[in-house]
Amino acid sequence: GESVGLHLPTLSVQEGDNSIINCAYSNSASDYFIWYKQESGKGPQFIIDIRSNMDKRQGQRVTVLLNKTVKHLSLQIAATQPGDSAVYFCAEKRNYGQNFVFGPGTRLSVLP
Amino acid sequence: DTEVTQTPKHLVMGMTNKKSLKCEQHMGHRAMYWYKQKAKKPPELMFVYSYEKLSINESVPSRFSPECPNSSLLNLHLHALQPEDSALYLCASSQASLPDTQYFGPGTRLTVL
Repeated sequence: GESVGLHLPTLSVQEGDNSIINCAYSNSASDYFIWYKQESGKGPQFIIDIRSNMDKRQGQRVTVLLNKTVKHLSLQIAATQPGDSAVYFCAEKRNYGQNFVFGPGTRLSVLP
Repeated sequence: DTEVTQTPKHLVMGMTNKKSLKCEQHMGHRAMYWYKQKAKKPPELMFVYSYEKLSINESVPSRFSPECPNSSLLNLHLHALQPEDSALYLCASSQASLPDTQYFGPGTRLTVL
């Protein structure tokens, strides 16, 4: 399940299940979005991106959905594996310069 | 080569010290970034360089001084830091002319005593 509180929101899923991580963004003028994975002690690693003229984009085992009406972004991971355990951040590029703003992050824990 | 390198990996400094963080990329990217990340928080943008010129300064205190000597290198000079400046400092790079993904380095873990 998913919990939100004083700590980083955490999503726990069984190995092999699909994961859905959600992100709300604030600026309707944002034109580019990225999902990053950050493992402990490492920098954020690019997973997938989507531009504002698209609703959906698929990669290897990952799909990003963009709903501009409600300013919502989601990352779907198929057949979640233990190596997927990490903190996932969405980032939006504001419609000026190169200003990327990160969401609060979600910790994904994969249960054996 | 999609690698951004950062040195040092770890840095411990006193409040009166002067130190520098270094970042390097060889992807031909013309935009480079410094972010600060506290534990359990997302990265926060500090500075953006575009074509070796400072384009964004997110109201960062002057005790942090960025420098971009050439298109491959980015430095962050530190002086008179406070304990609350302890954090992971991340460097990233991207294409400058189009909205494009940022590639991050592994970060420098800074502790200010």
